[in-house]
Amino acid sequence: DSGVTQTPKHLITATGQRVTLRCSPRSGDLSVYWYQQSLDQGLQFLIQYYNGEERAKGNILERFSAQQFPDLHSELNLSSLELGDSALYFCASSVLGASSSEGYTFGSGTRLTVV
Amino acid sequence: DAKTTQPNSMESNEEEPVHLPCNHSTISGTDYIHWYRQLPSQGPEYVIHGLTSNVNNRMASLAIAEDRKSSTLILHRATLRDAAVYYCILSGYKIIFGKGTRLHILP
Repeated sequence: DSGVTQTPKHLITATGQRVTLRCSPRSGDLSVYWYQQSLDQGLQFLIQYYNGEERAKGNILERFSAQQFPDLHSELNLSSLELGDSALYFCASSVLGASSSEGYTFGSGTRLTVV
Repeated sequence: DAKTTQPNSMESNEEEPVHLPCNHSTISGTDYIHWYRQLPSQGPEYVIHGLTSNVNNRMASLAIAEDRKSSTLILHRATLRDAAVYYCILSGYKIIFGKGTRLHILP
């Protein structure tokens, strides 16, 4: 157990639907990062939050949004889902943020299947 | 964003040392070099990181070139459980993962 909790572990939904993925960071960590990993693809950085505020943005689609709540958990919302959105979605956390020397702790991911 | 270049795949025999190279010629002075690995069906796992000096921990060693334009992750005695994709990344404003090196361990 890495200390980063992602729920649900698996999710199957239909095209056009909306889903919410949840991430609880490791205790004490202020930063949360979201990554998408499609089959045979590397990890694509989506977005970072630090202490409730958006800190950095990657290749996140307009149909996707995220937020970090006062208790520091984060949610990634995916809407108007397409078949191509099927992927593993990872959350990671760190005490501070990017540009620091610390490593990230990753969760075990949510596997999203769009049918 | 500074980028890294790694071989797509490497092979090594079990119980032998493995040297995984990474080129990062555009590294900035404040970028740390991080290594992560991802086992099948799992999230990435932190391995080691460094700035200028070589680093050792229980998992591996990191050798950093004097000009910092390249680094090498060293697994001293590979086991079958070390078969994974190894990512070399630079800490910066956005943490970007490349394709990594898929390491195969032969029994």
